[in-house]
Amino acid sequence: KQEVTQIPAALSVPEGENLVLNCSFTDSAIYNLQWFRQDPGKGLTSLLLIQSSQREQTSGRLNASLDKSSGRSTLYIAASQPGDSATYLCAAAFGGNAGNMLTFGGGTRLMVKP
Amino acid sequence: EAQVTQNPRYLITVTGKKLTVTCSQNMNHEYMSWYRQDPGLGLRQIYYSMNVEVTDKGDVPEGYKVSRKEKRNFPLILESPSPNQTSLYFCASSLWGQRIHYSNQPQHFGDGTRLSIL
Repeated sequence: KQEVTQIPAALSVPEGENLVLNCSFTDSAIYNLQWFRQDPGKGLTSLLLIQSSQREQTSGRLNASLDKSSGRSTLYIAASQPGDSATYLCAAAFGGNAGNMLTFGGGTRLMVKP
Repeated sequence: EAQVTQNPRYLITVTGKKLTVTCSQNMNHEYMSWYRQDPGLGLRQIYYSMNVEVTDKGDVPEGYKVSRKEKRNFPLILESPSPNQTSLYFCASSLWGQRIHYSNQPQHFGDGTRLSIL
């Protein structure tokens, strides 16, 4: 079964710290991997999408990398701010029929303390 | 404004009373999908649609129906709701009609519908 795992489930850091969120997946045959942010009571906001042919994507203070061979993706947040506090979810679109579907990790709940 | 709109946002109802959650997008997206989010289980896909009149089951389709008669709308129907369908539901859309050609297109999510079935 194709699975996506995020560890840790929760993370607390002081403001200004650089941090890395981890995402692992069981099948290297993926079309893309997306990172989302979810605020309490809100929907998901797409942050970055990495296609299978790419190694990384950057947007502002965010950088996402993809290593298919090891089944891992990381989301790097530079100079964290209290406004970054949210749950971060990664989701993979696996190959085959499941390429039409997204499989989500359980998320990492991030708290950035002032 | 480009958006995915779900209605209602909150609903409390009783077992067996048919309900429909509507989803509409204004981005001319081909792909639409429904998810449910539960504590400890995360987000799971219920149904998806690659285009008008084309729908497929996701990981947890039991107890749900969908239809895609128009490109912009993708309602989720619970014919006979049960308490185990109490959950937070999300609709999403994407230009992702053909996954190979549009694999760089992200999914856009609605704000969610919180269903409580007593």
